[in-house]
Amino acid sequence: VQLVESGGGLVKPGGSLRLSCTASGFTFYSYNMNWIRQAPGRGLEWVSFISNNDDYIYYADSVKGRFTISRDNAKNSLYLQMDSLRAEDTAVYFCARVPTGYGTPIFDYWGQGTPVTVSS
Amino acid sequence: EIVLTQSPATLSLSPGDRATLSCRASQSISNYLAWYQQKPGQAPRLLIYDASNRATGIPARFRGSGSGTDFTLTISSLEPEDFAVYYCQQRTNWPPVTFGGGTKVEIK
Repeated sequence: VQLVESGGGLVKPGGSLRLSCTASGFTFYSYNMNWIRQAPGRGLEWVSFISNNDDYIYYADSVKGRFTISRDNAKNSLYLQMDSLRAEDTAVYFCARVPTGYGTPIFDYWGQGTPVTVSS
Repeated sequence: EIVLTQSPATLSLSPGDRATLSCRASQSISNYLAWYQQKPGQAPRLLIYDASNRATGIPARFRGSGSGTDFTLTISSLEPEDFAVYYCQQRTNWPPVTFGGGTKVEIK
């Protein structure tokens, strides 16, 4: 199982960024997926969830209306479109898998993370 | 939103010591609690799920216990690789999924 994030970088406040997470080593279309972030020196914050077939999508209140989670099962990829970025969105963003059989999330595999810095 | 409070914030111990980490939920979460270990510059690793079940490959020195609002992660005898930050996470009454603030286990 491998999850590899990409797309992070430096962006100005109000800007946009699209993160990607490419999965391998498992049947991606069978698994619910999440984005979780960690601000510098801080703890973990769940950001968003998407079910295996897109039926269910949830967001943290802190990103609702600004971030959009999506997936392309044919490409074994998970995405996070981040718009109207704020300084407080600065963090390392991890994608994480929910094991099958868990309707409510635990996270059994994580990517290495991609850093996002929002600064002028 | 369910708030998870971890204590202590920092635990200073020596290799071979027993570590006892606490996680308290603001309301009952049954046994829907997980524990993760995170080392500097790395992603978190799942240790314990559903309060007391060790994840695949996790050594037996890691033990989770508790239910309702009070949970404990015990490391029976600290190995050098166990010095890290530990987070608890609940998955009931979601979204949102919430994490505790973490306990850092450092070398004394």
